[in-house]
Amino acid sequence: GAVVSQHPSWVICKSGTSVKIECRSLDFQATTMFWYRQFPKQSLMLMATSNEGSKATYEQGVEKDKFLINHASLTLSTLTVTSAHPEDSSFYICSAPRQGPSYEQYFGPGTRLTVT
Amino acid sequence: EDKVVQSPLSLVVHEGDTVTLNCSYEVTNFRSLLWYKQEKKAPTFLFMLTSSGIEKKSGRLSSILDKKELFSILNITATQTGDSAVYLCAVFIQGAQKLVFGQGTRLTINP
Repeated sequence: GAVVSQHPSWVICKSGTSVKIECRSLDFQATTMFWYRQFPKQSLMLMATSNEGSKATYEQGVEKDKFLINHASLTLSTLTVTSAHPEDSSFYICSAPRQGPSYEQYFGPGTRLTVT
Repeated sequence: EDKVVQSPLSLVVHEGDTVTLNCSYEVTNFRSLLWYKQEKKAPTFLFMLTSSGIEKKSGRLSSILDKKELFSILNITATQTGDSAVYLCAVFIQGAQKLVFGQGTRLTINP
């Protein structure tokens, strides 16, 4: 069964609003979680590494004030897309590693965000 | 810059054929190489490879890593239409503690 869940699975919002996406590890604790975005027919691009109890680490070119990450507990990380624009429309996927960050990572089912 | 390159980008074969997907990498600090299968949603884990020359096998799928030549292959034998998917290769970078993905290979199996 699924070991990482994401909510919501899809969301439509208007330009200028904010959207929060949740990522949960279901039967293990994850001090680190990863957030990716994927555009159609493209590969996964890492956006940021979410660290429980400390600030997230953002990849170059990712605006930390626009994509707010909070790792609230050992099983929950949230990504908030603030002041969303149509170009933020994408597939957002989180992952969490079992047994430390270098071990196999389990991906959530993804969240499709459409900004109108 | 850490880089993972997959080839071919797209492949169309007939059911029953055998396919080989390639993944080469140039990274600063290699820890492991992972293969994923992505259908409509998020990727599902196939293999993780850390040592050269040791084949990992699961049913009709197998994979091997060559750390000297910096590449890995994923083999699928007796392909079925259910194997149609995008296959992603990723390398875990020690130090940076993150996965770098290749572009993926879109595999289509025709009946």
